Amino acid sequence: AQSVTQLGSHVSVSEGALVLLRCNYSSSVPPYLFWYVQYPNQGLQLLLKYTSAATLVKGINGFEAEFKKSETSFHLTKPSAHMSDAAEYFCAVSDRGNTPLVFGKGTRLSVIA
Amino acid sequence: EAEVAQSPRYKITEKSQAVAFWCDPISGHATLYWYRQILGQGPELLVQFQDESVVDDSQLPKDRFSAERLKGVDSTLKIQPAELGDSAMYLCASSLGRAVETQYFGPGTRLLVL
Repeated sequence: AQSVTQLGSHVSVSEGALVLLRCNYSSSVPPYLFWYVQYPNQGLQLLLKYTSAATLVKGINGFEAEFKKSETSFHLTKPSAHMSDAAEYFCAVSDRGNTPLVFGKGTRLSVIA
Repeated sequence: EAEVAQSPRYKITEKSQAVAFWCDPISGHATLYWYRQILGQGPELLVQFQDESVVDDSQLPKDRFSAERLKGVDSTLKIQPAELGDSAMYLCASSLGRAVETQYFGPGTRLLVL
């Protein structure tokens, strides 16, 4: 069974600082990995996804993530945080296409002016 | 841009009452998911439909929850009777239904059971 662990339920960064949100996965087969963002009282919006192509994946809003098989990690980064990045971020995994996603518990990102 | 529609956005009910949530996926999306998100946690699957057929409902509490997608388009999730522990956000998502398709989420229905 797949699982996702997001390290740190809350991360706080200063505006302009590097954003690093950690995600480790467990899967018995090559996984598909996703990062979603959720703003208060809204649904989830896809930031980026890894589907066994390039290991460095670029997404929307300047975010990117690198798939590292040896570390079973898929950490999300952004070079410079903006106030508008404050939200909840979820890492998710599926073991094949068109199947339900298994989500981590989420990391709340706060951006301090 | 096409979106997944859900209604109502908010619902307050008393325990033992019946509630229903509606989802209209993006046109042409064959796969529809219902997820439940408890406050402070990630979404968890309740049920997956492929067209009008249930693909996975292993996590659906069938003694009180039911879901249908009669014509393979929109879907309804019902809870009867509602319990205090059902308070959560109920999210609907849809995808084209092919390999590794992105799931698009609706805004959700936030349920509060008193």
